[in-house]
Amino acid sequence: EPEVTQTPSHQVTQMGQEVILRCVPISNHLYFYWYRQILGQKVEFLVSFYNNEISEKSEIFDDQFSVERPDGSNFTLKIRSTKLEDSAMYFCASTNGIGDTIYFGEGSWLTVV
Amino acid sequence: SQQGEEDPQALSIQEGENATMNCSYKTSINNLQWYRQNSGRGLVHLILIRSNEREKHSGRLRVTLDTSKKSSSLLITASRAADTASYFCATDNQGGKLIFGQGTELSVKP
Repeated sequence: EPEVTQTPSHQVTQMGQEVILRCVPISNHLYFYWYRQILGQKVEFLVSFYNNEISEKSEIFDDQFSVERPDGSNFTLKIRSTKLEDSAMYFCASTNGIGDTIYFGEGSWLTVV
Repeated sequence: SQQGEEDPQALSIQEGENATMNCSYKTSINNLQWYRQNSGRGLVHLILIRSNEREKHSGRLRVTLDTSKKSSSLLITASRAADTASYFCATDNQGGKLIFGQGTELSVKP
């Protein structure tokens, strides 16, 4: 069964450093998302991406965050200058169409120290 | 406003018993999706139920949706120890953005 893959699975970074989280969505999907889950809390929407542009973003997704689809397969989330409170599990997700099943990857654990 | 709030927050049952988890939401939805998460792992999709559907089945899973009460339930029949996980409902009310609840932690004891 096709799946969303994410790398790295774990990353520890110093506060203030830039981090790039990578995702390969399911190949025929058109809509891509990033969510995050702070330990012990609910999963929160960050951003949705379609047709090479952001379609919606949450209040969490401030100027420190950016997304990119650099080629036909990868979808990345960049955090420019990490803060302690960015420590969380970051999930990439994709779907073929609005209202269809949204598939999630295994997540990338980010720890900012 | 809060969407997709699950009840109970934690549920402990014996293997073989049925587990029922409930989810309530506040605004209109296009669909509601249930996910499972093993500790520290990814979100595994279980079932999607659309706003014009009332019930769906998948193996040992049964999901109901009552749009008049803005609620959904997930029933796992004949539970197994491997069903131990957190279960989340997530509502899709526009544009494919999912809003998750806090989840129900299910523990199935052998």
